[in-house]
Amino acid sequence: NAGVTQTPKFQVLKTGQSMTLQCAQDMNHNSMYWYRQDPGMGLRLIYYSASEGTTDKGEVPNGYNVSRLNKREFSLRLESAAPSQTSVYFCASYGIGNEQYFGPGTRLTVT
Amino acid sequence: ILNVEQSPQSLHVQEGDSTNFTCSFPSSNFYALHWYRWETAKSPEALFVMTLNGDEKKKGRISATLNTKEGYSYLYIKGSQPEDSATYLCAENTGFQKLVFGTGTRLLVSP
Repeated sequence: NAGVTQTPKFQVLKTGQSMTLQCAQDMNHNSMYWYRQDPGMGLRLIYYSASEGTTDKGEVPNGYNVSRLNKREFSLRLESAAPSQTSVYFCASYGIGNEQYFGPGTRLTVT
Repeated sequence: ILNVEQSPQSLHVQEGDSTNFTCSFPSSNFYALHWYRWETAKSPEALFVMTLNGDEKKKGRISATLNTKEGYSYLYIKGSQPEDSATYLCAENTGFQKLVFGTGTRLLVSP
C-alpha cells in the first residue's frame, strides 16, 4: 500500500516548455487534489476532482490543466511553463475518515 | 476565498517547554477543521480532524481544541521535544472536501 505517489520528484523546465505531473493513489479514494506550496503562502489549491470524470478549479488554476484518468490517477499539466510556476506541487487524496493524504511532492523550477 | 490565519508565524522553544498556537477561521459554513504536521522535505501528515464545537482531540503530547462559534482552534504541545520541530498547518473544510490552509506555524525546539 504505497498511499499517494507522485512523479517526478524534481524537474527543471525552460520557459515555454510543457510537462505533466503524475499522481496516483491506491486507497480507493474518490477525491483527489493538486496544491502548490510557495514560501509564505501556504498550500493553495490548483484543481480538484471530487470523483472520477469530474474536475473543478481551485484557488489558482490559471496556467494549468488536469485530467482524472481513472479513479487512481490525477495528472496536472503545464502547457507553457512560466517562472511564476516555480513551486513545490503536492497531490492529495481524501479518505473516508475525513483526512487528506499527501504525496511526497514535486519540486519544479522554471528558468 | 476563505481566510484561515495562524499565529504565531514561528516559535522557538527549549526542550521541555509547553507551547500552543492558534488557528482562526471564518465560522460560517464550517464543516471541519484539520491540523497537519509538516516536517521539512516530507509531505504533510494529518494530526487531527475536528468537526463539533467543543471538540478536544489528543495524540500523545499533542492536543487540540475547537470553538466553531468564535472560529478558532488551539494546538497544544506538552513538554516539547526536538523531534516536534516542524511546521504545523491548520485547514478549514467548508464542505465538498475542499480545504483552505493557513500559512502554518513553524516550531523549532532546541535541546
